[in-house]
Amino acid sequence: DVKVTQSSRYLVKRTGEKVFLECVQDMDHENMFWYRQDPGLGLRLIYFSYDVKMKEKGDIPEGYSVSREKKERFSLILESASTNQTSMYLCASSQGAGGSNQPQHFGDGTRLSIL
Amino acid sequence: KNQVEQSPQSLIILEGKNCTLQCNYTVSPFSNLRWYKQDTGRGPVSLTIMTFSENTKSNGRYTATLDADTKQSSLHITASQLSDSASYICVVISGGSNYKLTFGKGTLLTVNP
Repeated sequence: DVKVTQSSRYLVKRTGEKVFLECVQDMDHENMFWYRQDPGLGLRLIYFSYDVKMKEKGDIPEGYSVSREKKERFSLILESASTNQTSMYLCASSQGAGGSNQPQHFGDGTRLSIL
Repeated sequence: KNQVEQSPQSLIILEGKNCTLQCNYTVSPFSNLRWYKQDTGRGPVSLTIMTFSENTKSNGRYTATLDADTKQSSLHITASQLSDSASYICVVISGGSNYKLTFGKGTLLTVNP
């Protein structure tokens, strides 16, 4: 089974801090994604990557950046955390071959609180 | 603008009963439609994936239908169990090399004993 592991289940940080969220997948997937999930808004795509060192902006990239130095690891960076970035963050991965017909496999999320 | 609307927002049923969740979409060009189950505090897990040519797909007690003409999908749960309590998310994928996922906001299902 595919396993997508997010480094922290819960995280509390202060306004203005630089925050790193880490995600590792063990199935050699080409594609990796970062979403945030808020009540009443559903999942929204922040950034995605279809290869090492490649990244593409999603629907809400402002205030975030990403890093993908190795195929299995995709990091989300909050450059200067703000209270409106308090949310559940979900990482996902999928196979590149087969394109849009490949399911995404999600981690269990990091619940981030910015105080 | 691509949109996915799910109904109802929430639903409470008794254990053993059946239920049907709805998903209407305006996504073009259509590639495939997926249903995910998200348990509280966990990430979503894929239940079914349906392409344009498929109108029914089952996964155990879960049966998804797709009507590409009316742009509607439903997820039918048979003989519900307490473990079916979760949020069910409909996701529609638009086609092409730069494919895009459009997520519904989910239906929260509660199964009571």
